[in-house]
Amino acid sequence: DVKVTQSSRYLVKRTGEKVFLECVQDMDHENMFWYRQDPGLGLRLIYFSYDVKMKEKGDIPEGYSVSREKKERFSLILESASTNQTSMYLCASSFVNGNTIYFGEGSWLTVV
Amino acid sequence: QKEVEQNSGPLSVPEGAIASLNCTYSDRGSQSFFWYRQYSGKSPELIMSIYSNGDKEDGRFTAQLNKASQYVSLLIRDSQPSDSATYLCAVSPGSGNFNKFYFGSGTKLNVKP
Repeated sequence: DVKVTQSSRYLVKRTGEKVFLECVQDMDHENMFWYRQDPGLGLRLIYFSYDVKMKEKGDIPEGYSVSREKKERFSLILESASTNQTSMYLCASSFVNGNTIYFGEGSWLTVV
Repeated sequence: QKEVEQNSGPLSVPEGAIASLNCTYSDRGSQSFFWYRQYSGKSPELIMSIYSNGDKEDGRFTAQLNKASQYVSLLIRDSQPSDSATYLCAVSPGSGNFNKFYFGSGTKLNVKP
């Protein structure tokens, strides 16, 4: 079975803090994604990566950055957390020509 | 912006009935279509994928695709209370665009015993 692991499930951070969300996949997938999910807005793509050190902006990249130093690991970084970044964050991965993406369990972030 | 539209619901059906979930998409170049189920507080899980026009059946689930009408649907036969969840429609342009996936906001299904 595909395993996408998000190490931090529930976080509470203060406004202005730097936040790291880590994601690891064990299927040797080339593509990795970060989404956020908010009620009524569905899943919105923040960033995705198609190879080590390669990244592309998604639909809502403002306030976020990403890092992919190893193929299996994709990190989402909030340089200075704000309350409007309170959300559930979902990491996902897929093969480069794969037709399916697999999600991690999600990270619930609250910024106070 | 690639748009995927779903009725947010909730859609309520009695146990044993057929639940019909609908999705429209704006990008005519979309090649791959998916239905994900998401229980409250959990991550989405893939239940069906469909790539060509027509019907695809898998157990109690049937996905229907009509590319001319830019419409994809999911039928759940013999609905069970355990089917109560939010169902997300997703589309992908396929090859050539790094396999980006675009999601609808989901339809909440309630199956009443």
